[in-house]
Amino acid sequence: DTGVSQNPRHKITKRGQNVTFRCDPISEHNRLYWYRQTLGQGPEFLTYFQNEAQLEKSRLLSDRFSAERPKGSFSTLEIQRTEQGDSAMYLCASSFYTGPGNTIYFGEGSWLTVV
Amino acid sequence: KQEVTQIPAALSVPEGENLVLNCSFTDSAIYNLQWFRQDPGKGLTSLLLIQSSQREQTSGRLNASLDKSSGRSTLYIAASQPGDSATYLCAVIHGSSNTGKLIFGQGTTLQVKP
Repeated sequence: DTGVSQNPRHKITKRGQNVTFRCDPISEHNRLYWYRQTLGQGPEFLTYFQNEAQLEKSRLLSDRFSAERPKGSFSTLEIQRTEQGDSAMYLCASSFYTGPGNTIYFGEGSWLTVV
Repeated sequence: KQEVTQIPAALSVPEGENLVLNCSFTDSAIYNLQWFRQDPGKGLTSLLLIQSSQREQTSGRLNASLDKSSGRSTLYIAASQPGDSATYLCAVIHGSSNTGKLIFGQGTTLQVKP
């Protein structure tokens, strides 16, 4: 069990460019989540998958954001035409869907700075 | 709409002191509550999870309690150490089903002074 892995850890991009983040969940975890966190705030939910199906998307996820989880394994989060307001840490998490006792495990996050 | 609040936003204590971090939520209909630790610039580390049917959970020097009726949870840290310095976040899954969608408070930043 190597934990949730996220790449890249840091990304600096110019406004208007596209960026993509990758998340590798804990093996055998069938649920995968994306959150966004800005300085001084708690993380905010963006979207989640159960296996390969995207079950919910937050209103925070504008049409410039797209997430995929092909084959129910790793996931990618793409941000198109980045804006300065997209600067944040993007956190991935995973869990094994069972009952109320299943813990959600987070990765180290991917920092995005849009200049 | 479920909202989670953590007070105080920051706390500084001398090493060895026992301390309590507070978390409140506006809607008692929660599936579970989880406490996390976050070091600066890092991801979240899960500390304790309390199911809606439970009242407390313990792990080492940490004890978390849950009072659904009053919409409150506390994280008790015994014999604090400088290594405990971090931001502590509580989060709830709202509702009666396991959506896995966590609603977070803003966190309490703890500093333990040697």
